Order: sequence, then structure tokens, then C-alpha cells
Amino acid sequence: NAGVMQNPRHLVRRRGQEARLRCSPMKGHSHVYWYRQLPEEGLKFMVYLQKENIIDESGMPKERFSAEFPKEGPSILRIQQVVRGDSAAYFCASSLQGGSSGNTIYFGEGSWLTVV
Amino acid sequence: TQLLEQSPQFLSIQEGENLTVYCNSSSVFSSLQWYRQEPGEGPVLLVTVVTGGEVKKLKRLTFQFGDARKDSSLHITAAQPGDTGLYLCAGDSSNTGKLIFGQGTTLQVKP
Repeated sequence: NAGVMQNPRHLVRRRGQEARLRCSPMKGHSHVYWYRQLPEEGLKFMVYLQKENIIDESGMPKERFSAEFPKEGPSILRIQQVVRGDSAAYFCASSLQGGSSGNTIYFGEGSWLTVV
Repeated sequence: TQLLEQSPQFLSIQEGENLTVYCNSSSVFSSLQWYRQEPGEGPVLLVTVVTGGEVKKLKRLTFQFGDARKDSSLHITAAQPGDTGLYLCAGDSSNTGKLIFGQGTTLQVKP
């Protein structure tokens, strides 16, 4: 896990507020992935980004969720107007290249969002 | 929808026993990873298998990828309390890094 930095580690938001989760990939990695782990459920893919581009957002809810990975700075997962069902652990992962064959994907320690 | 069925979901054994965790799918994967996750932390990669029929060993852990690249197994020999944790398998079908995760196996090894 060393190297993929996520913050905040824990975030509490009231319903209707916005949540911003940040991810700094491992040094030199330009491929970033976001996953969500709902209580009692497995990890689910949300979005795959490369620098300044969204490659695959097939796992992102259609509304309220957005992600970016700017040329400079961390990747941001933004959740607008949070609802209680958004409470989950959000994991960021990064890799040097795209794909997992012969390419290691490293996960961060996660950001735990609680909506009250 | 691609699915990875992981079994068993829960396993409680005595120290020294052997165990096997299975990961099955009807889909073909370009690679399959096994992770271990501790409470409050992110998944930590144990191994990646890529070739059908491949077997990899990591100390007391043996990982196998099915010939058809649709299934995998994790075998632990002489389990120790330190092996306690959540084990996850994850497959990548399109070699994009978009992983499909199994539901996980919670292993408890009693001293």
C-alpha cells in the first residue's frame, strides 16, 4: 500500500453536502482507478483515469459523482449532495501502465465516508 | 455482467490445518489477482497469475490459475493465526486494470 496516498482517511458529511476525496498515486504512475466498498459488499470498480482523461467511467453512478485527474495534482473523486447510501469506503489504486497483466496495481488505504 | 464467485465466504479453522479458497467465473480473465485486506485498510496484492495453468507459491500459500483462465484457487498449508484476514480474488478481463472482485473469504485461524 505504501505510495498511494488518500485523504482524508475519514470524512463525515451531512446529507446534501459535498464530499471530495483525494488520491495521490505512486510516484511515476499515470493510471488511477477508484473503487467503492459498500458495507457487507465487495469492491466495485467506479472509474479509470489517466492524466487529464477519463478512460472508463462505467461504474460511476450517473448523477452526483464525478472524477478528475488533472495534469498537476491529485485525482479527485467528488460526490455532490451526498445521501446516506453513499456511506462507504472509497479506494484509489494506481499503476505504472494500464492493465494488470505483468503490471502491478497498488491500492491506497481508503477514505471512509460517513453520511449522517 | 461478469461475476467472480468466491467460496467459502467464511472459514474458521485451527492452527496447523490446511485450507483452500476458490474463485470461479464463467468469464475468461487476462489475469487474476489475489489480495489480502485487513480491517480499516486497503487491499494488499499477494500475487498476479496470467497464464492458464500457472502455479505460484508464496511461502505457505499456493495460487493456481485454471487452464481456461476462468477460475483460480488459493491453498494455505499449515495455517497460522497470522493468516487471519479477508482474502479477495479479482479478475481483469480486458487488461485495462478494471478489476472485478469476488465477495471475499473471511479466514479465522484459531491458535
